[in-house]
Amino acid sequence: DAGITQSPRHKVTETGTPVTLRCHQTENHRYMYWYRQDPGHGLRLIHYSYGVKDTDKGEVSDGYSVSRSKTEDFLLTLESATSSQTSVYFCAISDAGTGMNTEAFFGQGTRLTVV
Amino acid sequence: AQTVTQSQPEMSVQEAETVTLSCTYDTSESDYYLFWYKQPPSRQMILVIRQEAYKQQNATENRFSVNFQKAAKSFSLKISDSQLGDAAMYFCAYPSQGGNNRKLIWGLGTSLAVNP
Repeated sequence: DAGITQSPRHKVTETGTPVTLRCHQTENHRYMYWYRQDPGHGLRLIHYSYGVKDTDKGEVSDGYSVSRSKTEDFLLTLESATSSQTSVYFCAISDAGTGMNTEAFFGQGTRLTVV
Repeated sequence: AQTVTQSQPEMSVQEAETVTLSCTYDTSESDYYLFWYKQPPSRQMILVIRQEAYKQQNATENRFSVNFQKAAKSFSLKISDSQLGDAAMYFCAYPSQGGNNRKLIWGLGTSLAVNP
């Protein structure tokens, strides 16, 4: 199994508070991604990173920021959590080194509840 | 726009029978990979099978196989001899292309129930 760990696995927080989710990999993969998964919406990309300090927005980036100061860590921050950000968050990694074989390996997911 | 469409939100199959999940996509590229992922109730996303677009032969992994129709941009997943453990959400995905834009485009998923 790919070495990818998300923390925390579960979190309940109050509206308006900042929250940071961490993704840690031991595979030295270049690409890292944060998704959220909600019923009826499948997986939606929040932000992704293609290298240290290189990040870009996905389709649902409003209200989220990311940082990647080291190859192995990709942090997702909710600056001021809202109830609409209650979701399951997945981190994924990809080497994407050869052509278009962009197989993604996923973490176990973080269930975030904003009350 | 690059899109992936899974037209069957839910499907069911009897144990030991065969089921086919459909997926269509839209791309202007000629060389790419396609993926099917499985998400069981544990939430863990697992790669089931991949297909290289430049290969005419359909990919097979044990009981899982694909029917890849490149001209029609269709990539269906066939599960033979269905087992109770196959019950899961199944997602079709393919990579967007261009510069640093190496990310997967996902369908909305098909929920598969396996009846004993």
